[in-house]
Amino acid sequence: AQSVTQLDSQVPVFEEAPVELRCNYSSSVSVYLFWYVQYPNQGLQLLLKYLSGSTLVKGINGFEAEFNKSQTSFHLRKPSVHISDTAEYFCAVSDRGAQKLVFGQGTRLTINP
Amino acid sequence: DAEITQSPRHKITETGRQVTLACHQTWNHNNMFWYRQDLGHGLRLIHYSYGVQDTNKGEVSDGYSVSRSNTEDLPLTLESAASSQTSVYFCASSGQGANSPLHFGNGTRLTVT
Repeated sequence: AQSVTQLDSQVPVFEEAPVELRCNYSSSVSVYLFWYVQYPNQGLQLLLKYLSGSTLVKGINGFEAEFNKSQTSFHLRKPSVHISDTAEYFCAVSDRGAQKLVFGQGTRLTINP
Repeated sequence: DAEITQSPRHKITETGRQVTLACHQTWNHNNMFWYRQDLGHGLRLIHYSYGVQDTNKGEVSDGYSVSRSNTEDLPLTLESAASSQTSVYFCASSGQGANSPLHFGNGTRLTVT
């Protein structure tokens, strides 16, 4: 069965600094990868997804992620964060052909002024 | 606009009682999912359905049941609530294919005393 590991439970950064949230998944023949964001007291929203093609995926709010098959990683990055990016971020994976996602433990991103 | 709604938003119940959490979506999606969110565990899949009369067990299904009598609704029942089931529960739905993202409700916070 698929599994996802988010290497950092909390990441504090200063406003306008760059950030990287790390995600590794267990190896499989082929997978789909996702990043979701959860703002306080809300459900999750899709940030971006990798299905195939270019390994660099751009999403909403200036976020991007890079799929690295050899390292089974899908790290999320943003070059300059804002206070409004404070949220919890979840990496998720599904096997191709399956339509259910396996989520990581989440990373809480805190932006300090 | 299409949406997915969960009710109630908050629920307190006693150990041993039966509890049902409602989930209603107007996306006309075939796929519906129930997750629970706990600190340190991220989101874990409880049950899911790929269409009317179809239900499947997820990773943490013990003590829970679902039924799918129409496209719009997937109620989650806790047969005999236990303190270990205190959690935040999220319902989600998606269309067919990996291109269709998960749409989440805003969650139900359940406390079992």
